[in-house]
Amino acid sequence: DAGVTQSPTHLIKTRGQQVTLRCSPKSGHDTVSWYQQALGQGPQFIFQYYEEEERQRGNFPDRFSGHQFPNYSSELNVNALLLGDSALYLCASSTASGIHEQYFGPGTRLTVT
Amino acid sequence: EDQVTQSPEALRLQEGESSSLNCSYTVSGLRGLFWYRQDPGKGPEFLFTLYSAGEEKEKERLKATLTKKESFLHITAPKPEDSATYLCAVQARGGATNKLIFGTGTLLAVQP
Repeated sequence: DAGVTQSPTHLIKTRGQQVTLRCSPKSGHDTVSWYQQALGQGPQFIFQYYEEEERQRGNFPDRFSGHQFPNYSSELNVNALLLGDSALYLCASSTASGIHEQYFGPGTRLTVT
Repeated sequence: EDQVTQSPEALRLQEGESSSLNCSYTVSGLRGLFWYRQDPGKGPEFLFTLYSAGEEKEKERLKATLTKKESFLHITAPKPEDSATYLCAVQARGGATNKLIFGTGTLLAVQP
């Protein structure tokens, strides 16, 4: 049973550029959440996708956007990158009802120079 | 505002020296409290879910407990491979999503 997968593993971008991160949820899961984890901090909720729609957004600017595809996979897009966007970006999958646990992928380490 | 505070920030133990990690929380209504283990540069690994005060869950050397204001993660006779950051998170009732609100974690180092 494949767990949550993310790509790429690492990414280096320059300020002002745009980046797209990808996530495939655990088999049987239909909901994808994205989190940002700065060094030494706990993960911070960015947004969640279910049925190809954004259900809720955390305290992140509109430069952060996302998409969910019919196969439940998801993308996180960040425009106009800032140095402060450097972090580990985590994708978590879950089901919309019943079980509340979220299972995390290995993350994408984004470095903005 | 929903909030999670973990203590201590860091803990160094000798192999076999038992201890506890604390997670204090304030939430409008608790749907669930979650413990995760995170190794450096990797995603959090799910350990336990606790739903109501008095509940306990165990897995190998780890035991999680829950009260109305806090949760404890007890580590019995730890081994070096238990070294990691342990994260606590809560889910609130009534929200549109099951988003997790995390603490900043406890960095555990177990020395042989």
